[in-house]
Formats: sequence, structure tokens, C-alpha cells
Amino acid sequence: QKEVEQNSGPLSVPEGAIASLNCTYSDRGSQSFFWYRQYSGKSPELIMSIYSNGDKEDGRFTAQLNKASQYVSLLIRDSQPSDSATYLCAVTRLGYIPTFGRGTSLIVHP
Amino acid sequence: DAGVIQSPRHEVTEMGQEVTLRCKPISGHDYLFWYRQTMMRGLELLIYFNNNVPIDDSGMPEDRFSAKMPNASFSTLKIQPSEPRDSAVYFCASSGAGGAEETQYFGPGTRLLVL
Repeated sequence: QKEVEQNSGPLSVPEGAIASLNCTYSDRGSQSFFWYRQYSGKSPELIMSIYSNGDKEDGRFTAQLNKASQYVSLLIRDSQPSDSATYLCAVTRLGYIPTFGRGTSLIVHP
Repeated sequence: DAGVIQSPRHEVTEMGQEVTLRCKPISGHDYLFWYRQTMMRGLELLIYFNNNVPIDDSGMPEDRFSAKMPNASFSTLKIQPSEPRDSAVYFCASSGAGGAEETQYFGPGTRLLVL
């Protein structure tokens, strides 16, 4: 059984700080990693995908992947109250549908 | 593209009634997924289709749940009879022809309340 684990939180950070969200996975053969953001009462939307070890940056967001340690993280720099949401990690390999974690709730307070 | 379309957006029904949820995937997408989300259990995959064919329905809770995809642009999830424990948000998602591992695009969801 493929498992994706996330701390449910909530993770509370002050505005302007760096928020660090972590995700671990059990399938060592995983190849594709996604971060979705879900605002309260809304549907999940993709914000980042990463496929290779290392960092991938997109604006204030950085995804970090370490396949040897089987974790993927999402860093949000200069956090804003509008970043307050639940962040879902999804992991998969070629030919398989993604497995979603339970999500981490992030609260950015002014 | 309008994205994934779901209807109804909200549904309130009484225990024992039949509920039908509808989904129109993004045009050209080959995969369609039905999820259920609750606070207790998170996002659960119920069933998914590839080219209108059900591939994995192991997540369907019990025989009261059924799903169909009669064509590439329409799918239904039916609950009969409904029970209070079915109350949840039901999401439909679709993804492209790149493979099952591709990015999924979610619809707005249907909030179901069974009294």
C-alpha cells in the first residue's frame, strides 16, 4: 500500500515568514510529486510539480525533493494571509494514479 | 476551457433517497476520477475511468455506490439509498492522455448532506 504522510497541522506562521510544509512517502519507486493548494470550501488546485532531486522554484514557492530520504517539501517565502489554506501532497510513479496525503493546514497571521 | 464541471453544487436529501452527482471533464482528457472528502478521512479515491472504462473501483464504499461514464464528456456517481454517513464533498477530476500519473484538474465539488 502506497502511503503519503503529512503533518495535519495547523502550521501557524507570521506574515512575511517562510512556511515549510513536509511530505514523506513510502513507495521508493515514486517519480512524480505534486503540491496542491485547497482553500476552505474550494477544490484542490495544482501549484507545483517536481520530478528530479533538488529544488524547483516558482515565484515565492520552492519545492524540494529528496528521493533517497523519500520526502518532498514545499517552502513558501514571504508568506501572506492569502496563502492560508490546506496543502496536499500527491505522489505517483509512471502508469499509476497519484496518491494524496491528508494535507497540512497553513495559517498565516498578520 | 471551462474546466471540470460538476452539478449540483449542493445537495440536501433525506436518508433513503437516491442521489445522482454529475461531472463533465475537460475536453480531451482521458482520465476521470471521483473522490470523496471528509474531515475524518481526507480525500478518498472512489473510482476512476480511462477512456470511459472503469479501471479501479476498489474505493467505492459499498454496493450503494455506482458510477458510469457513458461517453467522454459525461459521468455520474449515484448513491442509492443514501445514508447520513455519505455526507461529504464529492469531487470529480480529470487528467490528460499523458498517463495515469498526470496532473489532475478538479471540479468545484458537490456538497452532499444526507439528513
